[in-house]
Amino acid sequence: DAGITQSPRHKVTETGTPVTLRCHQTENHRYMYWYRQDPGHGLRLIHYSYGVKDTDKGEVSDGYSVSRSKTEDFLLTLESATSSQTSVYFCAISEEAGANTGELFFGEGSRLTVL
Amino acid sequence: AQSVTQLDSHVSVSEGTPVLLRCNYSSSYSPSLFWYVQHPNKGLQLLLKYTSAATLVKGINGFEAEFKKSETSFHLTKPSAHMSDAAEYFCVVSGDLTGTASKLTFGTGTRLQVTL
Repeated sequence: DAGITQSPRHKVTETGTPVTLRCHQTENHRYMYWYRQDPGHGLRLIHYSYGVKDTDKGEVSDGYSVSRSKTEDFLLTLESATSSQTSVYFCAISEEAGANTGELFFGEGSRLTVL
Repeated sequence: AQSVTQLDSHVSVSEGTPVLLRCNYSSSYSPSLFWYVQHPNKGLQLLLKYTSAATLVKGINGFEAEFKKSETSFHLTKPSAHMSDAAEYFCVVSGDLTGTASKLTFGTGTRLQVTL
């Protein structure tokens, strides 16, 4: 299994509070991604990173920010959580550009509930 | 633009019988196509991928898929279902030629149930 660790795995928070999810990899892969998974929507890309300090927006980036200060860590921050951000969040990594190989390695997910 | 449609949200089969999970795609370019599997409370795992080589692609755990350009389909099959195959399956398309690392479109998933 690819070395990807997400933390926390479960979190319950209240509307308006900040939340940070962490993704840590031991594979030294260049690309890292944050997805959210919701029933009926499959997986949707929030943000991704193509190197240290290099990030870009995905399909559903509003309300989220990311940072990557080291190759191994990719943080997802919800500055002020809303109930619509209740979801399961997955971190993924890839060695090559995802559009070319499509082979992503996923973490086990972080379930976030915003009350 | 690209899209992917998984035609069944839920499929139920008996153990030992064939599995067919259907996927149609739309892409402005020659696409790459993938199937991922997700077991309960786990991340997704790549089952197989098509990247313009052989149209019949073999994956892990006895699964295979056939790329049919004329039908814009990439259906996933397995000759004989096993209880451990019960999971959610996602069809994924990548056809964007900008070369960025973000141009994958996931289907909404098909939940496979395997009964005794």
